[in-house]
Amino acid sequence: DTGVSQDPRHKITKRGQNVTFRCDPISEHNRLYWYRQTLGQGPEFLTYFQNEAQLEKSRLLSDRFSAERPKGSFSTLEIQRTEQGDSAMYLCASSLGDRINYGYTFGSGTRLTVV
Amino acid sequence: DAKTTQPNSMESNEEEPVHLPCNHSTISGTDYIHWYRQLPSQGPEYVIHGLTSNVNNRMASLAIAEDRKSSTLILHRATLRDAAVYYCILRRRDTDKLIFGTGTRLQVFP
Repeated sequence: DTGVSQDPRHKITKRGQNVTFRCDPISEHNRLYWYRQTLGQGPEFLTYFQNEAQLEKSRLLSDRFSAERPKGSFSTLEIQRTEQGDSAMYLCASSLGDRINYGYTFGSGTRLTVV
Repeated sequence: DAKTTQPNSMESNEEEPVHLPCNHSTISGTDYIHWYRQLPSQGPEYVIHGLTSNVNNRMASLAIAEDRKSSTLILHRATLRDAAVYYCILRRRDTDKLIFGTGTRLQVFP
């Protein structure tokens, strides 16, 4: 297993364009999380899935953001009509179910720059 | 969400022990204390967690105060590769999300 994979690693887009990021979690992990991190700050929770069900969404996840995990495996995060304020690192993580005794495994992130 | 307080930055010399403090005075009885670290240009990495008792693993030790209102992450012998931002997080049992603060930036000098 190669851990949590995120694609692309970097994305530069023009304001107003749509972007989509992909996350492939560790195969036996049924929970998948999306976080956003801006420079100098800790990661902020966006949303998480258990299998294909989206269980919680942050109020940070405006209606321009949508996340899916259609078959309970990989996930996509789409941002529509990007704004400069969307520039950030988008991190994906996965974990084993609701076992609080397990830590998350994070990917290396997708860095989005909106110009 | 219960909050944690950490120093903004700390320094250490290589091969010396490092004690990273964290205050969490509003912790509830069912909150777990988790520590993650983030190296430059990487996602956070799980380090250790605990509930009430002190914990040891291959990466670090976690010392938890008896009243659980503070904890200390101990790196027994710092290496240059330990230079990172260390986050102390309270993980609630009833919601599966981690609430990160701004963490402690650890610098390690040769």
